Amino acid sequence: DAMVIQNPRYQVTQFGKPVTLSCSQTLNHNVMYWYQQKSSQAPKLLFHYYDKDFNNEADTPDNFQSRRPNTSFCFLDIRSPGLGDAAMYLCATGGNISPYNEQFFGPGTRLTVL
Amino acid sequence: GDSVTQMEGPVTLSEEAFLTINCTYTATGYPSLFWYVQYPGEGLQLLLKATKADDKGSNKGFEATYRKETTSFHLEKGSVQVSDSAVYFCALSDYLSGGSYIPTFGRGTSLIVHP
Repeated sequence: DAMVIQNPRYQVTQFGKPVTLSCSQTLNHNVMYWYQQKSSQAPKLLFHYYDKDFNNEADTPDNFQSRRPNTSFCFLDIRSPGLGDAAMYLCATGGNISPYNEQFFGPGTRLTVL
Repeated sequence: GDSVTQMEGPVTLSEEAFLTINCTYTATGYPSLFWYVQYPGEGLQLLLKATKADDKGSNKGFEATYRKETTSFHLEKGSVQVSDSAVYFCALSDYLSGGSYIPTFGRGTSLIVHP
């Protein structure tokens, strides 16, 4: 089945220790998104890629970076995690930049910062 | 900017009860509207969508009608099951200036269905 895969599902890191979350997709979609979701809140878009074009949300902290080496893979790097970065991180894909198309989400990575 | 407002949860119902989850939106253009569902420990998955005014989206017994005059997209189901317990997110996608779009989500409404 075509899908969006996130690894790991649970990640524990220490305050200030860099961490990388990964996302892969078998849907061959052009667009990939990273969201941060805290408890009882809407997913908050951090950035998205349209092919290799990177689009950063204005309020995404510099602490968050992303890489997309090819169509299938996308990484979220948190350079110096703080306690406030503990959240669920969701990766999603989309076929095109179009308001008509839905997004396809992975299961998420729950990040704990000690 | 665009925004989505959902009713506060949790919504607690008995099995076979009628469900309504309210969603209203503000948008500058002509958005598409979506309902996503998130089961515990999982990512979001599309439940239904509507891309123009008066369209009705439906799936798994859930329905929502795109009402431009009231800027609403309320989710309904005639008879809920325990397995419908989840968090439901209303969302919109709209063209922004420059030709791109950014999807906007509501805060989510938790539904708890008791046997």
